[in-house]
Amino acid sequence: LAKTTQPISMDSYEGQEVNITCSHNNIATNDYITWYQQFPSQGPRFIIQGYKTKVTNEVASLFIPADRKSSTLSLPRVSLSDTAVYYCLVGDYGGLTFGKGTHLIIQP
Amino acid sequence: DAGVIQSPRHEVTEMGQEVTLRCKPISGHNSLFWYRQTMMRGLELLIYFNNNVPIDDSGMPEDRFSAKMPNASFSTLKIQPSEPRDSAVYFCASSSYRAANQPQHFGDGTRLSIL
Repeated sequence: LAKTTQPISMDSYEGQEVNITCSHNNIATNDYITWYQQFPSQGPRFIIQGYKTKVTNEVASLFIPADRKSSTLSLPRVSLSDTAVYYCLVGDYGGLTFGKGTHLIIQP
Repeated sequence: DAGVIQSPRHEVTEMGQEVTLRCKPISGHNSLFWYRQTMMRGLELLIYFNNNVPIDDSGMPEDRFSAKMPNASFSTLKIQPSEPRDSAVYFCASSSYRAANQPQHFGDGTRLSIL
């Protein structure tokens, strides 16, 4: 499974757009890029997934360049409730390999 | 629809005791995963099943750990004998297919403390 690298922590303010970038230089042809969010005392929750270019859903956008060696999760107009750990994962089947994730802290 | 249901939510027991964690996956999902989360090691995959058959148990730390899935709606993770270093939050997740491009749905976990 491809290894991922993402910032350990990020700070932002309510109403701002937050972009979290993940590096995955060894991504394989069949691998998808998936982002999960985890709040304290809860299991991870699926946010968004993509293979190439751009994917958007009701909560986030995912930008993937042509070489697919990185991806950027974009959270528009964050609120305090977006404070959580965000995990970037790469793989095509089986169980997921979670890294340390990015601890996002949103301040008022 | 009910999500993944894990029980118990919390378990405190003394070392040497047998611990059994339970999981009910989302109805219709045919893949089930057990993870362990600690501050030091983060989230680790222990084992996963596809159609009730164990596919990859390479993450199971020792022979003290065992997992079963007797049917599509129930799985157990057992630790015998338990040790203090097994203290962690154990998550169960399920998905509709074994591929990573099918999102995994996680339960709220079992917080296990071995004294």
